[in-house]
Formats: sequence, C-alpha cells, structure tokens
Amino acid sequence: QKEVEQNSGPLSVPEGAIASLNCTYSDRGSQSFFWYRQYSGKSPELIMFIYSNGDKEDGRFTAQLNKASQYVSLLIRDSQPSDSATYLCAVIPNTGGFKTIFGAGTRLFVKA
Amino acid sequence: DAGVIQSPRHEVTEMGQEVTLRCKPISGHNSLFWYRQTMMRGLELLIYFNNNVPIDDSGMPEDRFSAKMPNASFSTLKIQPSEPRDSAVYFCASSLQGTSNQPQHFGDGTRLSIL
Repeated sequence: QKEVEQNSGPLSVPEGAIASLNCTYSDRGSQSFFWYRQYSGKSPELIMFIYSNGDKEDGRFTAQLNKASQYVSLLIRDSQPSDSATYLCAVIPNTGGFKTIFGAGTRLFVKA
Repeated sequence: DAGVIQSPRHEVTEMGQEVTLRCKPISGHNSLFWYRQTMMRGLELLIYFNNNVPIDDSGMPEDRFSAKMPNASFSTLKIQPSEPRDSAVYFCASSLQGTSNQPQHFGDGTRLSIL
C-alpha cells in the first residue's frame, strides 16, 4: 500500500462545475495535510493546508479532512479552464520530523 | 519577497560528469528539502535539512548523491558520477518549521539531462 494514494485521472469537468479531488493516506497518526497545484513544466505551488478534522475554505477551494477514514479531499467550486493542472496531495506522517510524502497527483482538465 | 532560488534552470551533461545543483532558500526559513521528480516515480524526497543539519537522507538513491548545507542561505546537491537514469527535474523547497508543520515553498527546479 502506498503511503499517499491519489487517483491519477485525468478528471474532466465542465467549466463552472465542482471538481472533487481525493486522497487517502496510510499513517493514521499523520497530522499535517497539504494540497499543491502543479502546472505542466512548473513547480508545485501551495493551494491549501489543513490540520484539523472538518472543512477549511479559501475562496473557491475547500479542503476536507477525515482522520478516522484517513481521507483528505479538495473541492474546487466554479471550475475554470485555468484550474487545469495536476493536484498533489502531501502528508507529513507521524514519524517525527518534517518528512513530507507526496501522492502521485491527479490530473484535472476543465473543459471550456 | 524572493522565493526559493535554484540554479541552473537547465543542465545537460554527459554521463560520468559531476553535476552540482544549487539552492537558496527563502530568508528566515529553517528547513530545506531536495526533491526529484520523474514521470515514473513522481515527486520523491531525497534529503532534508533543519537548521543546516541533515535530518533524513533515506531518499538519497546511492553514494553518487551528496548534499550539503554550509549555512542557512545555501545548499548544494551533487551527483558524481552522473548517469542517464539521473535525468529528472530536481526541486528545492524551504519552510519555516516550529511547533506546527508549515507548508513548503518550491523553487522553479533544475531540469537535468544526462546523455
């Protein structure tokens, strides 16, 4: 079992729809969770981070964390073609230190 | 504010040559991370430093790879000798770690091609 798993996609949604990106992790004691966006040929950039169970909203983005199910998701409302990118889920396991494990990423394609 | 600065942006060299990648973290950040990204393996953590001290180098593929952080504003990743399978994009990232795990900020990366 991979430490951080994501569906590789591509996930295709029409413009204006809600895109839902999912991630599961194996270390039950993990405390810190991040979503990064990576455009083709560019570096990852931080979208959201979440530490507590529940929802965290920032503009069109909502991160959802369920530690009991070891599940973290990212919702993108009113999806735009400019949201088309690969979204990386990242987790800091409870191993001490700041080692961050990245998922393989989900490719999102927003159709105009 | 300046972000994480990496150099060179692109490097093409022949197998067997020494390659040195450089990174300047964001001022005030106390942790620095080196990653390698390929299509096959995704984004892999190679090594990270906290307060200039290497904390976890378990991701360094083999003895051909070495990393140093002589001071808070500079780090290098060296490959000697280089091999074609080392071709990848290498990212450096930095963060400010304290009582909570803060997100990392990435540089633009170095695209390395070993012929």
